[in-house]
Amino acid sequence: EVQLVESGGGLVQPGGSLRLSCAASGITFRTYWMSWVRQAPGKGLEWVANIKQDGSEKYYVDSVRGRFTISRDNAKNSLFLQMNGLRAEDTAVYYCAKGAWAFDIWGQGTMVTVSS
Amino acid sequence: EIVLTQSPATLSLSPGERATLSCRASQSISNYLAWYQQKPGQAPRLLIYDASNRATGIPARFSGSGSGTDFTLTISSLEPEDFAVYYCQQRNNRPYTFGQGTKLEIK
Repeated sequence: EVQLVESGGGLVQPGGSLRLSCAASGITFRTYWMSWVRQAPGKGLEWVANIKQDGSEKYYVDSVRGRFTISRDNAKNSLFLQMNGLRAEDTAVYYCAKGAWAFDIWGQGTMVTVSS
Repeated sequence: EIVLTQSPATLSLSPGERATLSCRASQSISNYLAWYQQKPGQAPRLLIYDASNRATGIPARFSGSGSGTDFTLTISSLEPEDFAVYYCQQRNNRPYTFGQGTKLEIK
């Protein structure tokens, strides 16, 4: 079964850090770009970052560049998002998604809440 | 940054009717547009990519058209399970922005 499973979300204070993980199964993970997309409560979708198959290219939305780092471990079929300097406006469900865009497989999402 | 404007914000229709959803880009994006469906509490589902190509397993009642700046998602005859929020997304330039969504609700 094709599946993406996110973990690592939770409640964090402003300025804090979290590391999100996404475990992939049922796909040849190393052959796909992978992405993170977020959705603030009651709001629309926002593309956050993506990473090339071998990790050699990474791109970010301006609002997270310099604070978030996307990475992957192809040997473990895993995608990561290291989030530092978290702000209230980073509060959202974070989805892992297969592809650079036109995401045909999504995880169920993990909630990140930034609040004191 | 390319801004995608979806209209209408809310569309109220009945099962069996035809739905036409619009997505307009702030500059030309060729055919680099995707459409997604999202139901409450669920992840989005890819419907259409490259403006007019249906994703795997998507019913034929969903179709996409357009190029440049104006795009349309058409649902030919609404089924009860089609009532949801629909988003467009562009990949012409990073960041790969989404539209704000159109809520398709039962009339």
